[in-house]
Amino acid sequence: AAGVIQSPRHLIKEKRETATLKCYPIPRHDTVYWYQQGPGQDPQFLISFYEKMQSDKGSIPDRFSAQQFSDYHSELNMSSLELGDSALYFCASSYSPGQGTNYGYTFGSGTRLTVV
Amino acid sequence: DQQVKQNSPSLSVQEGRISILNCDYTNSMFDYFLWYKKYPAEGPTFLISISSIKDKNEDGRFTVFLNKSAKHLSLHIVPSQPGDSAVYFCAATLAGTASKLTFGTGTRLQVTL
Repeated sequence: AAGVIQSPRHLIKEKRETATLKCYPIPRHDTVYWYQQGPGQDPQFLISFYEKMQSDKGSIPDRFSAQQFSDYHSELNMSSLELGDSALYFCASSYSPGQGTNYGYTFGSGTRLTVV
Repeated sequence: DQQVKQNSPSLSVQEGRISILNCDYTNSMFDYFLWYKKYPAEGPTFLISISSIKDKNEDGRFTVFLNKSAKHLSLHIVPSQPGDSAVYFCAATLAGTASKLTFGTGTRLQVTL
C-alpha cells in the first residue's frame, strides 16, 4: 500500500539558509499535517492543510511557511535557519470526515534537518 | 502546557510478559485517542486507537483501556516480544474532524530476552 512520502530524508543546511521539505500524502487523503520533533522531545504540531487551505496552525515560527498544492502534496519552506531548527520533521496525512476511526492518520518517515 | 503526559519515560519487560504503558490527559475535550510506535529516525507507526464512547479496544496482542473519569488510558501488550522494543507515544484528538494530534512525551519500552 502506498504510504506518505517525504523528501529529502536528510538535509544539512547552514545557518541563515533556506530549506524546502516536501510531503506526498497517501492517495485520496485530503489533509496534510506537519510536525517537528526535536531531540528527546515529542512531536509538536506545526500546521495543517485541508483541501489546499490552511486548517490549523500550531507552534510554527514566522520564518516557516507551508502550502498544499492542487495534487495535494505539501511543502514546508523554512527560511533564516537557526541551529534550533535542527529536528526531525514529519508529515502525516488523513482523510475526512471520519467517525470513530483513526482517519487513516499515517505518518511519513520524516526529514532529518541538520543546521550547522 | 503538556496536555498529554506519559509519566514513565522508560519501561523494561521480560519477553512473554505483559507490558503496560500509561498515558494521562488534561483536556476533557479530547475524545479520540491513539497509540503509535516509533523507531529512531522513522515516522510514528499507528498501533491502535479508541473512541471515548468505549472503554476498551483490542487488536491482537494490543489492548487499549480508557478511563474517562480519570482521564487515563493504558496500552497493554501481551505477550511482549523483543520486536516491540521502541518508543511508544499516546496521542489525543477530537473525533469527527481530521484534526491535529497532541502527543504525549513517549515511553521507551525495552523487551528483554
